Amino acid sequence: QVQLVESGGDLVKPGGSLRLSCAASGFSFSDYYMTWIRQAPGKGLEWVSYISDSGTTIYYADSVKGRFTISRDNAQKSLYLQMNSLRAEDTAVYYCARPNNWFDPWGQGTLVTVSS
Amino acid sequence: DIQMTQSPSSVAASVGDRVTVTCRASQGISSWLAWYQQKPGKAPKLLIYAASSLQSGVPSRFSGSGSGTDFTLTISSLQPEDFATYYCQQAKSFPYTFGQGTKLEIK
Repeated sequence: QVQLVESGGDLVKPGGSLRLSCAASGFSFSDYYMTWIRQAPGKGLEWVSYISDSGTTIYYADSVKGRFTISRDNAQKSLYLQMNSLRAEDTAVYYCARPNNWFDPWGQGTLVTVSS
Repeated sequence: DIQMTQSPSSVAASVGDRVTVTCRASQGISSWLAWYQQKPGKAPKLLIYAASSLQSGVPSRFSGSGSGTDFTLTISSLQPEDFATYYCQQAKSFPYTFGQGTKLEIK
């Protein structure tokens, strides 16, 4: 079945960096755009970034532009999010999801905590 | 950016009740709207897409309607497993945006 599994979440100090990964299975990963969405504790959902199937088209939310970099490895069926200059407000569960205008499926999420 | 506003923010209801959640877009989005259900500690699950199309495997007691700026999610007869938080999402233009959520609680 279609499955997305995130990893890489951790506790990091403000200003630090972290790389999240999302492993895909059960579908032809290279045929699909992919996206990251986050959810701060007790808060709503915020779309973070989006990458096309080939990796040539990329979008970021203004809140992460210039600090986060999305990438993918189609041979490894993996999606990545490099997060630099992390701030307390980046604390959230980060989900990868397969977008087709709507988001389905979603991974289980990985928690990023930015705190000193 | 297109702003999505849900109402109410929370609602208490009983098993068997009919419940309606409303989502309003700050500008017209045609039928580019989805609804998700999220339970505590879990990822959101797609329920409705294109405003009124039921995702495969989702019970028929869930339905969606609307176009343009005003949309509704209706649960015709609440079941115990339906108590969760519901989000709308517009897919008309980037950045894709979500409503703030509606928490459905047991009365």
